[in-house]
Amino acid sequence: DADVTQTPRNRITKTGKRIMLECSQTKGHDRMYWYRQDPGLGLRLIYYSFDVKDINKGEISDGYSVSRQAQAKFSLSLESAIPNQTALYFCATADQGHGRGDEQFFGPGTRLTVL
Amino acid sequence: GESVGLHLPTLSVQEGDNSIINCAYSNSASDYFIWYKQESGKGPQFIIDIRSNMDKRQGQRVTVLLNKTVKHLSLQIAATQPGDSAVYFCAENNGDYKLSFGAGTTVTVRA
Repeated sequence: DADVTQTPRNRITKTGKRIMLECSQTKGHDRMYWYRQDPGLGLRLIYYSFDVKDINKGEISDGYSVSRQAQAKFSLSLESAIPNQTALYFCATADQGHGRGDEQFFGPGTRLTVL
Repeated sequence: GESVGLHLPTLSVQEGDNSIINCAYSNSASDYFIWYKQESGKGPQFIIDIRSNMDKRQGQRVTVLLNKTVKHLSLQIAATQPGDSAVYFCAENNGDYKLSFGAGTTVTVRA
């Protein structure tokens, strides 16, 4: 079984709809991240969380919100989706106090299309 | 702001040859660098990493070189195979457990 899972894997929605993307992990990691990937732009950080009570904005948080329901779950919401939020979304986790501590483990991604 | 970038967006290499993928970074405070491989339809997968107190690190068929003087990072893949076809990203850690990614290099292996 995958250590980092994302649901749904694909989603098509309409402008103005509320969308939630979910991420679950079985790695026992404290740190969780949400990224979006656009062609030619690499991965950009949306939000990140270092534990259940910690939420931080990344470089492109406008239009997004997150919830860290438990250590293993970190969800990303688009309150009112717009077409330029069409992208590939990745969840990642990292171990806290690992020593190296910086490698991030990625889920398989969610492809979101906003019409 | 400072960012991580790659020199070339695409690289075509003959099967069996060595591949070199380059990355330039601008944040002199970065102390950790990492390479990821992303195959079509999948999330990025860890290849190798290096800390700023090292110049070179080797893995299985891969070597990462770090030149702090010119802020340059490279990934060398020995005896490139068809399964190495993917997008390769370099990333730097800015000290607070966040990664900044470059735009990626698409490697295509010719048979």
